Amino acid sequence: KNEVEQSPQNLTAQEGEFITINCSYSVGISALHWLQQHPGGGIVSLFMLSSGKKKHGRLIATINIQEKHSSLHITASHPRDSAVYICAVPYYGGSQGNLIFGKGTKLSVKP
Amino acid sequence: DGGITQSPKYLFRKEGQNVTLSCEQNLNHDAMYWYRQDPGQGLRLIYYSQIVNDFQKGDIAEGYSVSREKKESFPLTVTSAQKNPTAFYLCASRPSRGRDEKLFFGSGTQLSVL
Repeated sequence: KNEVEQSPQNLTAQEGEFITINCSYSVGISALHWLQQHPGGGIVSLFMLSSGKKKHGRLIATINIQEKHSSLHITASHPRDSAVYICAVPYYGGSQGNLIFGKGTKLSVKP
Repeated sequence: DGGITQSPKYLFRKEGQNVTLSCEQNLNHDAMYWYRQDPGQGLRLIYYSQIVNDFQKGDIAEGYSVSREKKESFPLTVTSAQKNPTAFYLCASRPSRGRDEKLFFGSGTQLSVL
């Protein structure tokens, strides 16, 4: 079973700061997911990546397969980025198509 | 717009009562999932379905039941056998059962016990 660790658990930043959220996992994977959970509870899939880097607007996700580590960066952070960011990896050997989810990083961006 | 609709947003259960959470999708996705989220915990899989009229237990299926009579619908029943049902429940779908596809989520249902 894959284990997923996220850091930090909580993060407070000032508007405009560069944010980094980290995710480590224990078993080799084919793809990693980054999700955003809004204060109301709904979840949006931000990225799914298997190598290198992906960028969408002010969000950048990177992954190092050899080191079993991924990072999510937010440039020029804004209060609307305040949310819980969740990393997830496939659960090999278990329910097909299932993911193992990290506990999330709660980000609060102050104006 | 295509998406996943969960209802109700808030639900209260009395002792010994069964309650049903609705999940409907118009994305034409084959695979659908129910997750439970507790404070400070990662999402955990309750049940999943990869095709109509078929579903499988996830990691925490005890006290729950599901059906998949239509492709669009995957309702979850929280039975009286679930002794600790208070949690946030999320429904999700993906185009097929492949591991490497994005998940699409509903907005969730908060279930509380009266």
